Amino acid sequence: DSGVTQTPKHLITATGQRVTLRCSPRSGDLSVYWYQQSLDQGLQFLIQYYNGEERAKGNILERFSAQQFPDLHSELNLSSLELGDSALYFCASSVGLLDEQFFGPGTRLTVL
Amino acid sequence: SQQGEEDPQALSIQEGENATMNCSYKTSINNLQWYRQNSGRGLVHLILIRSNEREKHSGRLRVTLDTSKKSSSLLITASRAADTASYFCATADNYGQNFVFGPGTRLSVLP
Repeated sequence: DSGVTQTPKHLITATGQRVTLRCSPRSGDLSVYWYQQSLDQGLQFLIQYYNGEERAKGNILERFSAQQFPDLHSELNLSSLELGDSALYFCASSVGLLDEQFFGPGTRLTVL
Repeated sequence: SQQGEEDPQALSIQEGENATMNCSYKTSINNLQWYRQNSGRGLVHLILIRSNEREKHSGRLRVTLDTSKKSSSLLITASRAADTASYFCATADNYGQNFVFGPGTRLSVLP
């Protein structure tokens, strides 16, 4: 158990819908990262927050957005969902900006 | 293209043997991290090695980093069936950004 929690574990929805994935980092970690893992694209970095501020952006689509709240938990919002958005979404956290990242168990999103 | 590229893509060995996986990257890094992932599950952090380090050990794991060749290797000694998993390298630049994971090496340890 890494100490990073993600909810929900599984999510099944339809195309065009919007979903919110939630992540609670390890106690004391200020940095939160979101990743997407699919069979054809591998593990892709989406976005990073540090102490409530957006720190780095990766291959995140405009239909996706995220935020980190004052209590340091983070949410990833996915809208206008497409079949190709079906994937595992991981959250990770670290103490600072250049430290080990600890991954949550992931949310498996299925878009039908 | 990927910053980190693991090699080989797949590796099959017998229990007790050593397994070596390699990772190459393209740009300057602050650190390189190795992760393990069991099928469909979360990634487990194994080792972080910084750009000013050349070698690190953790139990049966040994990681080396050659910044002149932009490459790293992960050695698992005396492998066990429980080591069967995918192994990924990931790099971060000096700004704590640009996190890139390679496609991974799928290791199978046969009993």
